[in-house]
Amino acid sequence: AQSVTQLDSHVSVSEGTPVLLRCNYSSSYSPSLFWYVQHPNKGLQLLLKYTSAATLVKGINGFEAEFKKSETSFHLTKPSAHMSDAAEYFCVVSDGNFGNEKLTFGTGTRLTIIP
Amino acid sequence: GAGVSQSPSNKVTEKGKDVELRCDPISGHTALYWYRQSLGQGLEFLIYFQGNSAPDKSGLPSDRFSAERTGGSVSTLTIQRTQQEDSAVYLCASSSGGAGGNEQFFGPGTRLTVL
Repeated sequence: AQSVTQLDSHVSVSEGTPVLLRCNYSSSYSPSLFWYVQHPNKGLQLLLKYTSAATLVKGINGFEAEFKKSETSFHLTKPSAHMSDAAEYFCVVSDGNFGNEKLTFGTGTRLTIIP
Repeated sequence: GAGVSQSPSNKVTEKGKDVELRCDPISGHTALYWYRQSLGQGLEFLIYFQGNSAPDKSGLPSDRFSAERTGGSVSTLTIQRTQQEDSAVYLCASSSGGAGGNEQFFGPGTRLTVL
């Protein structure tokens, strides 16, 4: 069975400082990993995904994540936070080995940006 | 082109009534998923359709829940004899299918409130 653990339910950073949202995963197979973002009253949007290519993945809005198999981690980072980054972030895993790519979501991390 | 659409956007019903939620996936997408987002449970997988294959119903919480997908396109999620614990946002997603970390595109969701 696959699972993800988001280590922080809430992260607050000042505008212009780095962002780190932590995620650890568990999967029986070579997983596909994703980060999705959900702004208030908006739908889920894909930030980036890892699918066994380059371990450092770049996404939209300056976010990136590094897949570390030895640590079973897929932490999300951004060098400089912007006010518009305030949202809920979900780390997601999919086995996808049999064509069924049902997603298993973490519990989410709410990111607050302090002006 | 148009994204995933869902209707209604909001549904308020009385306990014991049946409800139907509709999802229109992105044209050409063969895979369709239903998820539920509720307080205390986070985002959870409900059911998956891929082409003409039998659906994966492993996430449906009870036999009051059912879903169908007609003509490989539009899908309807039906909840019979609704209970207050069914109150949640029901999300639909579609993807191009197959293995390999295909991005799932999410609709805006249907917010269901059971009184």
